Amino acid sequence: DTGVSQDPRHKITKRGQNVTFRCDPISEHNRLYWYRQTLGQGPEFLTYFQNEAQLEKSRLLSDRFSAERPKGSFSTLEIQRTEQGDSAMYLCASSLSVGTNYGYTFGSGTRLTVV
Amino acid sequence: QQQVKQSPQSLIVQKGGISIINCAYENTAFDYFPWYQQFPGKGPALLIAIRPDVSEKKEGRFTISFNKSAKQFSLHIMDSQPGDSATYFCAAVDGSSNTGKLIFGQGTTLQVKP
Repeated sequence: DTGVSQDPRHKITKRGQNVTFRCDPISEHNRLYWYRQTLGQGPEFLTYFQNEAQLEKSRLLSDRFSAERPKGSFSTLEIQRTEQGDSAMYLCASSLSVGTNYGYTFGSGTRLTVV
Repeated sequence: QQQVKQSPQSLIVQKGGISIINCAYENTAFDYFPWYQQFPGKGPALLIAIRPDVSEKKEGRFTISFNKSAKQFSLHIMDSQPGDSATYFCAAVDGSSNTGKLIFGQGTTLQVKP
């Protein structure tokens, strides 16, 4: 396990369809984050898990978005009834809670295009 | 509300020159300031980071300068190389929160000309 894996790398979907993305963090990392990055912008925080508990959700995360991290391992991010505004890169990151060491590792992201 | 402001938006530097990217913040609870490098199609990768009790940190050709009173910090890339051409993001973490979430600047696209 050498990094954070995200699947799929690219997803094209029609407006109104549901999509699900998967993130496999570094195995010993207990913290997992989802971010969204639109073209020309910095990533924006969506949600945070510590182990299996979802501890914070951004106001960006509308009720069409849901995230899970069963058993504190991999995580999924689902978007229901996709809209064109959901087109973005969805990034997953993981880190280990060690004091205040914020050593993040990001995955390569899933690029979503809603047509 | 932009909590971390980054400038310039884009930067062109000749090979061997110095690239300087600046960031400013307002929230005094921020206690960790990393810089990330991102290549097209890839996720951000940590380059270098600093805490507010230190005014400067150097790792190879990369240096962070930190001015706590001005609430500003900057990335200096010495002897810039074409392989440094990428998008750079400053970020900050709010130490008063337990989440460790990153708040990113808008990014700077760096092009190093050979």
